[in-house]
Amino acid sequence: DAGVIQSPRHEVTEMGQEVTLRCKPISGHNSLFWYRQTMMRGLELLIYFNNNVPIDDSGMPEDRFSAKMPNASFSTLKIQPSEPRDSAVYFCASSPRGSEADTQYFGPGTRLTVL
Amino acid sequence: AQTVTQSQPEMSVQEAETVTLSCTYDTSESDYYLFWYKQPPSRQMILVIRQEAYKQQNATENRFSVNFQKAAKSFSLKISDSQLGDAAMYFCAYRRRTSGTYKYIFGTGTRLKVLA
Repeated sequence: DAGVIQSPRHEVTEMGQEVTLRCKPISGHNSLFWYRQTMMRGLELLIYFNNNVPIDDSGMPEDRFSAKMPNASFSTLKIQPSEPRDSAVYFCASSPRGSEADTQYFGPGTRLTVL
Repeated sequence: AQTVTQSQPEMSVQEAETVTLSCTYDTSESDYYLFWYKQPPSRQMILVIRQEAYKQQNATENRFSVNFQKAAKSFSLKISDSQLGDAAMYFCAYRRRTSGTYKYIFGTGTRLKVLA
């Protein structure tokens, strides 16, 4: 059973460029989460989708960040324009319905470096 | 507000020995979930073990077990027969059980080194 898939695994870009991170949740999971991990702030929840609908985006740092989930098997996190302080590891996680809905399964992460 | 504290930034254990990682949390809720996640150098966040607060029995998963002390708000992870592959960052996490509540509160992590 494939886990959460994220692409790319590494991204290096220059300040001002647009960056798009991609996520494929585990099949059958109905909740999807985007996290950012930095040394200074640890793991931060950016946005949460339930049944493809954004439920809470209060963690999105600013308007430069946007996330979409056009269908149950795909989500994107876009940063436009990117800044050096956006450098971090970005994780996508998904969780199932029912009794296991509390458990989140993480993807391998995307390491973003903005020069 | 709920908080999760991991007071040990780094721990070391000899291969085949036992090590315990500490986690305390603060909440006014009575029903919640607690988790330990492992993050090896590959960065993948891997679920190690999960505990429901309403269950008195401590969760176990092979060499991993927890000591859940609800009154003390303590949730430690014991790793028995440590292996080199156990070397990683370990994160403790809390989540309310309330329906529709999804947010994890993570601790700052404990880096575990396993010595050969």
